[in-house]
Amino acid sequence: GESVGLHLPTLSVQEGDNSIINCAYSNSASDYFIWYKQESGKGPQFIIDIRSNMDKRQGQRVTVLLNKTVKHLSLQIAATQPGDSAVYFCAESGGTSYGKLTFGQGTILTVHP
Amino acid sequence: SAVISQKPSRDICQRGTSLTIQCQVDSQVTMMFWYRQQPGQSLTLIATANQGSEATYESGFVIDKFPISRPNLTFSTLTVSNMSPEDSSIYLCSVSLAGGLYNEQFFGPGTRLTVL
Repeated sequence: GESVGLHLPTLSVQEGDNSIINCAYSNSASDYFIWYKQESGKGPQFIIDIRSNMDKRQGQRVTVLLNKTVKHLSLQIAATQPGDSAVYFCAESGGTSYGKLTFGQGTILTVHP
Repeated sequence: SAVISQKPSRDICQRGTSLTIQCQVDSQVTMMFWYRQQPGQSLTLIATANQGSEATYESGFVIDKFPISRPNLTFSTLTVSNMSPEDSSIYLCSVSLAGGLYNEQFFGPGTRLTVL
C-alpha cells in the first residue's frame, strides 16, 4: 500500500444533494474493491464492496460503480446528510495481495445543512 | 461483522521508548492486519499477523521496528520500538472474518500515538 500526499481532495455539498466520490486505482490485477468511511477520531467503517465481475452494486443510499477499462471506482451517496461528513477511502485487493488492501488517498466530504 | 477493540486508544511517548498496542476481537477471525495512518494521510499496511507463526511484513517495515504477536485467533499485539517523532501516527488493526480474497475487512478504532 501507499499513502499519498498531505492534501486530500475535498467535496462540499448541500444537505439533500447527491454526492459522487471518485477513485482511480492502479493495479489492473485488482478484483475486489471496498469503500470505507472514516469519521474524525475513529477507524474506517465498511460501507460497500464490489467484485470485478460486477460494474454496479447498490446498498442503502449508496451505489458503487466500477469501470475496469479505465480503472475507476466511484461511490454515489443519495440525499447526502450532515452525518455523511467524513473522509472516504477506496481500497483494492487482488493479484498476489491475498486479502491485503491497498488504500487510495481519500476524499474529504463536507455536507452543509 | 466483528467488534474490535484496541488498547491504548491514545498515548504520548518519549523518543527511544517502545509501546505495545493490543487488538482484541470478539470472535475468532482468520486474518488480522496492522495498518499505519500518518497525519492527514491514507492507510498503509504494515504487516499481516499470522497465528502461530511470524508476521508477514510489507516493504518498508521490519520486524525489529514493529514486532507483532498473534497467540490465538482473537488477539494480536503490535509493538512500535525505539520510537521517534516520525512514528507519530494512528495504528489500526483490522480483521477478515473468513479469509479469502472477497471478504470484508473490518477495522478497530485505532491507537493515536504521539512521540515527543
